[in-house]
Amino acid sequence: GENVEQHPSTLSVQEGDSAVIKCTYSDSASNYFPWYKQELGKGPQLIIDIRSNVGEKKDQRIAVTLNKTAKHFSLHITETQPEDSAVYFCAALIKAAGNKLTFGGGTRVLVKP
Amino acid sequence: EAGVAQSPRYKIIEKRQSVAFWCNPISGHATLYWYQQILGQGPKLLIQFQNNGVVDDSQLPKDRFSAERLKGVDSTLKIQPAKLEDSAVYLCASTDSNLNTEAFFGQGTRLTVV
Repeated sequence: GENVEQHPSTLSVQEGDSAVIKCTYSDSASNYFPWYKQELGKGPQLIIDIRSNVGEKKDQRIAVTLNKTAKHFSLHITETQPEDSAVYFCAALIKAAGNKLTFGGGTRVLVKP
Repeated sequence: EAGVAQSPRYKIIEKRQSVAFWCNPISGHATLYWYQQILGQGPKLLIQFQNNGVVDDSQLPKDRFSAERLKGVDSTLKIQPAKLEDSAVYLCASTDSNLNTEAFFGQGTRLTVV
């Protein structure tokens, strides 16, 4: 089955700096890679996603890159703000397996003012 | 558009008791997931439904956990009997597998087993 590894588990950055979170996946059949943000007491919320036919996608201050050959993808947050503090999860989905969605272990991001 | 609804938000039970969680997915979403999220970890898939059929329940501890999705809409997840290690947040998510693979999550049910 799919296995998703996420690093680092915690990340502390100064406000205005960039944050990078990296994930690797094991199943080459994965074709959709979402990133979720989870705030305390809430369910995960999608912030950006990328499909396997695209190498990079950007939405304002966040961007995601995908390297299918190496089976890894990354989340980049630029100009971090205190409200970016949360837990971020990467995930990988295998549509051919009925949309099975597997999550990484999460990264707790703290943006210091 | 209403989101994924879950109830209750919190539940405290003693070990060996039973408990049930309820989920109402977004209207029209064919795929429904139940995840277990232990504190400090990522969500772990317990069971996945496509309409009222089970797609994947390979990680569901079937000796104590059960789930159903009668009529392919609402779903319930039951634990009987509960163990201390079942303390976690139980998340329900749904997706319209025909149009969009984004999964929408409910707020979860926080279960504490004492």
